[in-house]
Amino acid sequence: QQPVQSPQAVILREGEDAVINCSSSKALYSVHWYRQKHGEAPVFLMILLKGGEQKGHEKISASFNEKKQQSSLYLTASQLSYSGTYFCGTEERAGGTSYGKLTFGQGTILTVHP
Amino acid sequence: DVKVTQSSRYLVKRTGEKVFLECVQDMDHENMFWYRQDPGLGLRLIYFSYDVKMKEKGDIPEGYSVSREKKERFSLILESASTNQTSMYLCASSLLTTGTGSTDTQYFGPGTRLTVL
Repeated sequence: QQPVQSPQAVILREGEDAVINCSSSKALYSVHWYRQKHGEAPVFLMILLKGGEQKGHEKISASFNEKKQQSSLYLTASQLSYSGTYFCGTEERAGGTSYGKLTFGQGTILTVHP
Repeated sequence: DVKVTQSSRYLVKRTGEKVFLECVQDMDHENMFWYRQDPGLGLRLIYFSYDVKMKEKGDIPEGYSVSREKKERFSLILESASTNQTSMYLCASSLLTTGTGSTDTQYFGPGTRLTVL
């Protein structure tokens, strides 16, 4: 079952902030965030691990609530270049390696206007 | 930089044709993945492979098969294309991580937009 992202779409003006949420019904080991610009391949932004370790991008931050199996991506002081579709990918490790398998959400379309 | 290439950006096929989509990565990654991307549905995993000749079904394998004869190459096969397989197909690769480390980043190719008439 795919994780659920919210909102489905958000429109901002430059300088405004946004939060994108990702919620799963499964016990998660990690959450990955990607951004896809129109006509391009998805590009990695951030990984959040069970236990709180976080790796990512300098102007974008995220959190992972293990109890609720939810992650949120925080985009502050948005720029025109932030426009695109954001996907969360969730990893489960029931009994060993997941072989890198991620289950992606349906995506959140972010549009930043001047 | 990691490079994942796909054989075609656009492809038009007729119903019933056998279709091959090729993906090549140049970073010696063990894991390779095939997704389809449809509006409002995000990325859905069709098949993945963690080693040569190894394959695992993803969430939507029906109507597809895969082949991995060499480490760098992962092929998606539509045995008899149907109109409901019209979609954007994305290939990705990543390193195989073991133990308690985080799963490696997936690197995506540019995609193949397949239209089945």
